[in-house]
Amino acid sequence: DTEVTQTPKHLVMGMTNKKSLKCEQHMGHRAMYWYKQKAKKPPELMFVYSYEKLSINESVPSRFSPECPNSSLLNLHLHALQPEDSALYLCASSQDPATNIQYFGAGTRLSVL
Amino acid sequence: GNSVTQMEGPVTLSEEAFLTINCTYTATGYPSLFWYVQYPGEGLQLLLKATKADDKGSNKGFEATYRKETTSFHLEKGSVQVSDSAVYFCALSDSGGGADGLTFGKGTHLIIQP
Repeated sequence: DTEVTQTPKHLVMGMTNKKSLKCEQHMGHRAMYWYKQKAKKPPELMFVYSYEKLSINESVPSRFSPECPNSSLLNLHLHALQPEDSALYLCASSQDPATNIQYFGAGTRLSVL
Repeated sequence: GNSVTQMEGPVTLSEEAFLTINCTYTATGYPSLFWYVQYPGEGLQLLLKATKADDKGSNKGFEATYRKETTSFHLEKGSVQVSDSAVYFCALSDSGGGADGLTFGKGTHLIIQP
């Protein structure tokens, strides 16, 4: 089983709203990732958690706030987003740091009005 | 730094045609190489992988061989189907043993016509 589950599948929010994206995996993977993907572009890395600790933040604006409550769960808290933040947000996980084989969820399609 | 170059397309083929999507890479270490596929409105699915030179990854009729001498990982399929229409991303990981993001190519949009 290589399933990474993301909820919700779609989200529409205003610029003053606060919302959260959720990602879950039960494969025992110890690294989890958030990527942002704009239309017709490859995914861009946002954050990496390794053993539940934030190890990489790719200079993401503070209106995006990641959280890793336990080894199976990864959240992305959203606040005061801009319309240009509309995108597909992908979560991924990996087990083996040596090969870094990443498995992706289906994504959350976010629209900011 | 690391980079991946692949043909962007769109690549349009007829059903049962032979497919090649070229991918070349630049990396400082000994990367792992991947092909991911993205169907419309969906996330990325790992199609195949190769973790060392001369490895051949294969899945669902697709194949790619890790060629260190030419720094390439070309994707091939002998007979494509309409259901293969999707965007294909070549990617590498050169994390040196730590968790890190993947380096992606720009993606190749493949269209298979009946």
